[in-house]
Amino acid sequence: EAQVTQNPRYLITVTGKKLTVTCSQNMNHEYMSWYRQDPGLGLRQIYYSMNVEVTDKGDVPEGYKVSRKEKRNFPLILESPSPNQTSLYFCASSPPHYNEQFFGPGTRLTVL
Amino acid sequence: GQQLNQSPQSMFIQEGEDVSMNCTSSSIFNTWLWYKQDPGEGPVLLIALYKAGELTSNGRLTAQFGITRKDSFLNISASIPSDVGIYFCAGSDSWGKLQFGAGTQVVVTP
Repeated sequence: EAQVTQNPRYLITVTGKKLTVTCSQNMNHEYMSWYRQDPGLGLRQIYYSMNVEVTDKGDVPEGYKVSRKEKRNFPLILESPSPNQTSLYFCASSPPHYNEQFFGPGTRLTVL
Repeated sequence: GQQLNQSPQSMFIQEGEDVSMNCTSSSIFNTWLWYKQDPGEGPVLLIALYKAGELTSNGRLTAQFGITRKDSFLNISASIPSDVGIYFCAGSDSWGKLQFGAGTQVVVTP
């Protein structure tokens, strides 16, 4: 089944403790992206990647890092999480030259 | 980033009614997308529009790409209980950069 998977689905952590949220897709898509969703704000893009080793900032990249060493994986790294990064995070992927992005199931992160 | 204004913010409708929502942008887009999000899940693509003036249907859903390229609307005809959810518009002026509206919460009562 074609899908985007994220792990973990739920995470509660404390301020300053480094964490990684993994994202993997099995559709051989070049493009992958991370979004955060907050009430009343819709989805805001954090980082995106056009292909392996190519990443770029979205609209809200502060406090986040990403890497794209393989086509199928695009982990999101929070080196020193803060409470304002408490949010619902989505990973998405799409084939080249199309904006029809396929979303993962989401990761709900709480930073205490 | 660009601002997308999506309205209404929420709507409470009776089963069988038609639903209409729209998005406007201050800038021109070359793609408009409409997504639906069910509770606890990621957004699912409903309709993609790539051409100004384009009108596209997907079952009971109809969406249009505005002539000015700054707006789009989504209609749902004869709503049913499973239409409940949050509907998002998204616009793009280049591959990979999507701007999302804040969403329209749809509640359907029997």
